[in-house]
Amino acid sequence: GAGVSQSPSNKVTEKGKDVELRCDPISGHTALYWYRQSLGQGLEFLIYFQGNSAPDKSGLPSDRFSAERTGGSVSTLTIQRTQQEDSAVYLCASSLARGYEKLFFGSGTQLSVL
Amino acid sequence: GESVGLHLPTLSVQEGDNSIINCAYSNSASDYFIWYKQESGKGPQFIIDIRSNMDKRQGQRVTVLLNKTVKHLSLQIAATQPGDSAVYFCAENSRDTGRRALTFGSGTRLQVQP
Repeated sequence: GAGVSQSPSNKVTEKGKDVELRCDPISGHTALYWYRQSLGQGLEFLIYFQGNSAPDKSGLPSDRFSAERTGGSVSTLTIQRTQQEDSAVYLCASSLARGYEKLFFGSGTQLSVL
Repeated sequence: GESVGLHLPTLSVQEGDNSIINCAYSNSASDYFIWYKQESGKGPQFIIDIRSNMDKRQGQRVTVLLNKTVKHLSLQIAATQPGDSAVYFCAENSRDTGRRALTFGSGTRLQVQP
């Protein structure tokens, strides 16, 4: 596609429920990243996928968070048993992964946990 | 979407003036730096990047300066326009970490007064 697409754009859920956030990267981009942005904060790295390599999960804040990337394209970030502190904007980005280079971001999913 | 960065440091400038946004980094091994612009409800948008073998790079109305001695990065915007109003983030990466994902600063809000 023309850009990184994320869905839903907004998600309201109740504490304790599971949520799934979707990211469709730019076609041809082999690297995919998830970041979290809390109100008044910068971007916090969560997880990175590159081709068929094992993902870098070092940023995931707890075992309630997981992500997968199927077929080297679409990615899903899953948050189990959501807590109020999970409320944030979840941003996905992709890149060509040819050395260090700019990431292209989607518009994010605003998650609100009540 | 929700506004981000309500408690960020703010730079207020008059339309037509030049803006300088500063960023300090701590890792002396950082070798790639990038500036992003984020408007309310949108994902970060690439502005300009620079590698550590350079100390200055210019784009359209923007200049990035890198001072590795004091680990300081700045973004200069010439003839600031109302459309430049946004939150600006610096980000960096280092081969040392082995991580491809960018590490972001906390951001600066730029307000352009007409």
